[in-house]
Amino acid sequence: KQEVTQIPAALSVPEGENLVLNCSFTDSAIYNLQWFRQDPGKGLTSLLLIQSSQREQTSGRLNASLDKSSGRSTLYIAASQPGDSATYLCAVNPSGSRLTFGEGTQLTVNP
Amino acid sequence: NAGVTQTPKFQVLKTGQSMTLQCAQDMNHNSMYWYRQDPGMGLRLIYYSASEGTTDKGEVPNGYNVSRLNKREFSLRLESAAPSQTSVYFCASGGIRGGTDTQYFGPGTRLTVL
Repeated sequence: KQEVTQIPAALSVPEGENLVLNCSFTDSAIYNLQWFRQDPGKGLTSLLLIQSSQREQTSGRLNASLDKSSGRSTLYIAASQPGDSATYLCAVNPSGSRLTFGEGTQLTVNP
Repeated sequence: NAGVTQTPKFQVLKTGQSMTLQCAQDMNHNSMYWYRQDPGMGLRLIYYSASEGTTDKGEVPNGYNVSRLNKREFSLRLESAAPSQTSVYFCASGGIRGGTDTQYFGPGTRLTVL
């Protein structure tokens, strides 16, 4: 059974800092991996999707990497802003479209 | 496009009551999903529907039933609510993004069972 773990569970940083969120998964046979953002009381918004054949994806200040062999992904946020405060969820797609989620990292960026 | 919509947004039930959570998508997606989100446990799949007319159990299906009414709508029913079903429920639909499957989520239904 695929298990997804995210570390740390919570992170508080000052504005402007670069930061890394970590995601690990137990079964390396994945179809793709996705990072989501969840604002308090809201649904999930997809940030980045990495195919199993890719090593990384970038969108603006966000960069996600994937190392299937070690079962790890990282989400790098450059020059963090208070508006980045949210919970970030990692989800692994083992095949087709069923997702297995991690518990999330709650990020607070302080002005 | 409204994307994925869910009703109601909030609900309080007493133990033993029943209710149906509604979900609709306007993106012409074939697959739809119901998840629950609990503190410290992430999102867990309850049921999913790969296409109109089909449904399958996910990780935590006990106590729930689903209906894929048509391509747009996928409802989740609690026949006899229990306090353990207090949670936030998310509906999602699956479509193609960047050449691969991804999911689009609704805003959630916050359910409390007393």
